[in-house]
Amino acid sequence: QVQLVQSGAEVKKPGASVKVSCKASEYTFTNYYIHWVRQAPGHGLEWMGVINPRAGSTSSAQRFLGRVTMTRDTSTRTVYMELSSLGSEDTAMYYCARGTPGLNWFDPWGQGTMVSVSS
Amino acid sequence: QSVLTQPPSVSGAPGQRVTISCTGSSSNIGAGYDVHWYQQLPGTAPKLLIYDSSNRPSEVPDRFSGSKFGTSASLAISGLQAEDEADYYCQSYDSGLSGYVFGTGTKVTVL
Repeated sequence: QVQLVQSGAEVKKPGASVKVSCKASEYTFTNYYIHWVRQAPGHGLEWMGVINPRAGSTSSAQRFLGRVTMTRDTSTRTVYMELSSLGSEDTAMYYCARGTPGLNWFDPWGQGTMVSVSS
Repeated sequence: QSVLTQPPSVSGAPGQRVTISCTGSSSNIGAGYDVHWYQQLPGTAPKLLIYDSSNRPSEVPDRFSGSKFGTSASLAISGLQAEDEADYYCQSYDSGLSGYVFGTGTKVTVL
């Protein structure tokens, strides 16, 4: 079945960057968008941005502009999300989720990648 | 900084019906953008529950239903079961933010 598998947990120091991967399987990779959503411990969901794997074009939430970079490798069916200048407030579970062009829901989701930022 | 407001918690006895509201504004739900709902069981990733305000994926039980009216939406769970204990989030698109927005989340407790 359609599946998104994310990379493992990361521990970073303040000011560093983190790069999380999301590998897609069992569907045509370039026909669907990949969104990134994060969830701080005990908090709700926050949309970060989206990448179109066909064109490589991206769109980010305003609060992450200049700090988030999304890329893709079509040969390995993998999308990457890099977040720079990490602070303690970036400690969160990061999810990738598939989106259909023209539709606004996310399905399915990856299992999540925990990113912890601590000195 | 959620722009969609949900009650923090709702509860009900097994078999009862509970509803969760999702209140937005003229730049998201009120602008005609559909609302989608996700269920997040403890320690797991969110799962799509309702799409386009009132449609259920085939694997979702018909105990779950959704509706949208004006600047708000609602999720109803009828015949509440212990396995329904989870966090529920609404989601839409916001034209003012040019991005996707989630609700504040609601924890459902089965008494």
